[in-house]
Amino acid sequence: DAGVTQSPTHLIKTRGQQVTLRCSPISGHKSVSWYQQVLGQGPQFIFQYYEKEERGRGNFPDRFSARQFPNYSSELNVNALLLGDSALYLCASSHRDRSYEQYFGPGTRLTVT
Amino acid sequence: SQQGEEDPQALSIQEGENATMNCSYKTSINNLQWYRQNSGRGLVHLILIRSNEREKHSGRLRVTLDTSKKSSSLLITASRAADTASYFCATDAWTALIFGKGTTLSVSS
Repeated sequence: DAGVTQSPTHLIKTRGQQVTLRCSPISGHKSVSWYQQVLGQGPQFIFQYYEKEERGRGNFPDRFSARQFPNYSSELNVNALLLGDSALYLCASSHRDRSYEQYFGPGTRLTVT
Repeated sequence: SQQGEEDPQALSIQEGENATMNCSYKTSINNLQWYRQNSGRGLVHLILIRSNEREKHSGRLRVTLDTSKKSSSLLITASRAADTASYFCATDAWTALIFGKGTTLSVSS
């Protein structure tokens, strides 16, 4: 079975622009979570979606938004990009809306110049 | 905010040696997990230990949990070059995993 997939792999954007990152969960998984990992730090929780509803939100500004589609794939949108948004964005999927046993994708490396 | 703190931040050993890394956390937990990350890519789940467990084994991995000290340790026995990676502990906060800053392990042959 395919694991969690994310696209694109790498992305370079300019300050002020908007970006959309995509994630497809493992088949049968209904929950998708998004994490931001800046260099030298551990991942930080952004959102969790379960059955197309937001179940959790981390301490991120409103410039960050997400949604989950009927096929359980998900998009993370970031508006008005700042240099500090440069990071590895990780998507994780799980069977349920609890946080344990999450399976991570390879991530999208976003660079903001 | 970071829940866990791994110690040491970096560890360099020779192949065949054991590697021990520690994690401390701040609040009560339901379970604690360890993940591995190779070269800034995706995280791989290694092992989960529940709050009512004190020790768990998986292959060359041994995890201990001391809830009274709010700490956990990960032991990798007979290390290999392929174990070179960053290791993170994570505690669960209902819908979110809360990660520490990680330990970078380098195993040289």
